[in-house]
Amino acid sequence: EPEVTQTPSHQVTQMGQEVILRCVPISNHLYFYWYRQILGQKVEFLVSFYNNEISEKSEIFDDQFSVERPDGSNFTLKIRSTKLEDSAMYFCASSGGTSATTGELFFGEGSRLTVL
Amino acid sequence: SQQGEEDPQALSIQEGENATMNCSYKTSINNLQWYRQNSGRGLVHLILIRSNEREKHSGRLRVTLDTSKKSSSLLITASRAADTASYFCATDATGFQKLVFGTGTRLLVSP
Repeated sequence: EPEVTQTPSHQVTQMGQEVILRCVPISNHLYFYWYRQILGQKVEFLVSFYNNEISEKSEIFDDQFSVERPDGSNFTLKIRSTKLEDSAMYFCASSGGTSATTGELFFGEGSRLTVL
Repeated sequence: SQQGEEDPQALSIQEGENATMNCSYKTSINNLQWYRQNSGRGLVHLILIRSNEREKHSGRLRVTLDTSKKSSSLLITASRAADTASYFCATDATGFQKLVFGTGTRLLVSP
């Protein structure tokens, strides 16, 4: 069964360092998302991406964040200068094809980011 | 309370019993979805109910939606130990899948 894959599963970084989280969405999907979940808190929307541009972004998604689809398969989230409060589980999701009409998002297993 | 609040926060039942989780929200919605998350894992979509629907079934799952009360419930019938997980409701105000998740209900099903 097709799935969304994310790498790395866990990354530890020093405050101020740049981090890139990678995602491979399901191949025929057209809509891509990043969500994050700080430990013990709600899952929060960060950004949606369609047709090679950001469709919508939340207040969390400030200038330190960027997304890119560098090729036909990868979808990346970059944090330019990490802060302690960026420590969270970051989930990539995709939808499209029939799921675009059903509203179902397919989530990856997440990338845990720890900022020291 | 914030958009998407589930209750109870935690629920412990025996296998074979039914589990009911509730979700309340504050703003108008296009649809409401329920997701499941095993500890430390990704989110798995369970069911979506649109604002013009009142009830939906999928296998052992039954979801209701009351837009006048801005609430939804998820019923899992004949629960199994494998149903142990956290369950989240998520509202979609526009239909463009910018989901607002609730706080979740942790369900423990004991054999």
